[in-house]
Formats: sequence, C-alpha cells, structure tokens
Amino acid sequence: DQQVKQNSPSLSVQEGRISILNCDYTNSMFDYFLWYKKYPAEGPTFLISISSIKDKNEDGRFTVFLNKSAKHLSLHIVPSQPGDSAVYFCAASVYGGSNYKLTFGKGTLLTVNP
Amino acid sequence: DTEVTQTPKHLVMGMTNKKSLKCEQHMGHRAMYWYKQKAKKPPELMFVYSYEKLSINESVPSRFSPECPNSSLLNLHLHALQPEDSALYLCASRTGQAYNEQFFGPGTRLTVL
Repeated sequence: DQQVKQNSPSLSVQEGRISILNCDYTNSMFDYFLWYKKYPAEGPTFLISISSIKDKNEDGRFTVFLNKSAKHLSLHIVPSQPGDSAVYFCAASVYGGSNYKLTFGKGTLLTVNP
Repeated sequence: DTEVTQTPKHLVMGMTNKKSLKCEQHMGHRAMYWYKQKAKKPPELMFVYSYEKLSINESVPSRFSPECPNSSLLNLHLHALQPEDSALYLCASRTGQAYNEQFFGPGTRLTVL
C-alpha cells in the first residue's frame, strides 16, 4: 500500500514558467513533509519542507503548499530553470523522535526546456 | 562541513566476496540511515541508527550487516550478495531532533556479478 503518491511520472515545462509538482498521501498521521531533488547517480538533495501546522512554506523560487483536509501537497518552482531538470521526490514522516523515518513517493521527472 | 561522504563511489563484487561500504558525516548528527535505491524507484529504507544504536531494521536479509563504530561513521558490511542486490546504496544523516531533514550522501553504485 503506497502511502505517498506522486501520480505524474513526468512533467515538462518551458524555462521561465511555473512548475507544479503534486503529491498525495493517505496516512493522516504524517505531520512533516519534504521535497528532495535527485540527479542520476547522485544522492537526493533536500529542497524544502513543511510541517502540518503550516499551509505554506517559501524558500526563494520554491514554495510548498499543504492542504491537510485533502491530504495533498504541491511544490511550485517559479521561474523554472533548465538546471531544475531532475527527479523530484515527495517524502513524509510521522514524528518519531530519533527513530523518525521517511516514506517516499515514486518521484516525478521534471524537464525544463530552454 | 555540511556533507555526507560515501566510499567507494562504485563497487563490483562477486557473490562470494565480502566487502564494506563506508559513510561519514561531521555535522554532529546523531541519526544515520542506510537506503537502497533501484533504478526509477524511490529510496527504500534499510537501517536506522540513533545515537549509535540500531533502532530500525526494515527486515533486511542478514547478508547485509550494518555497523556504527562512532557517531560520525556508518558501515554496511556485505557478504554473499545476490545479483538482485545490485543498486545505489545511499547513506543519510540528521540531527536526531524532530522535524529536521535528512542529508544524503552521493551513494555507492553496487554491482553484484
């Protein structure tokens, strides 16, 4: 049973436009959400996170929105740049102190075209 | 120093070999993780060490043996692996406090012949 779902395997956008990556979750116990970016043959790089007490968190070109009632979050990248082309993973966790672990979605491949 | 390092970058081994993967961080993080990632799949958690003690083992076969010699170092000992164990092995660390992100290393690309 997949608790974190990224239903779009891929997304293609033009440079300068907005990229919107979506993520849904089923476990209502999740209270912390993260986005990671991954290039091939490299480890994931942390981008941005949000806790369940907030509905928005912004860091430069990246904004994450959380809709708890819909169990949905999204990552907005504005403006998109060719260097943003990568696989983006949504991840979620239940607060568990030092034992906390992440549950990942399957990822969305973002391609930003010049 | 804000990075997690992993060695070797690539490893090819036979099914009868014994090898080890190494992970190091000097950020003072007290939780360290091993993940396995197959192509086009998300990272899959294997082990969690918290304050140098094994706190989570996700039912990983005994041919994978983790070790945490100190708070900065995490090893994964490999013995009698199968070709299906070929994957990218990722190490990660975090502070151990609530609501902190995990920092990932670059991974070791393992091929089992």
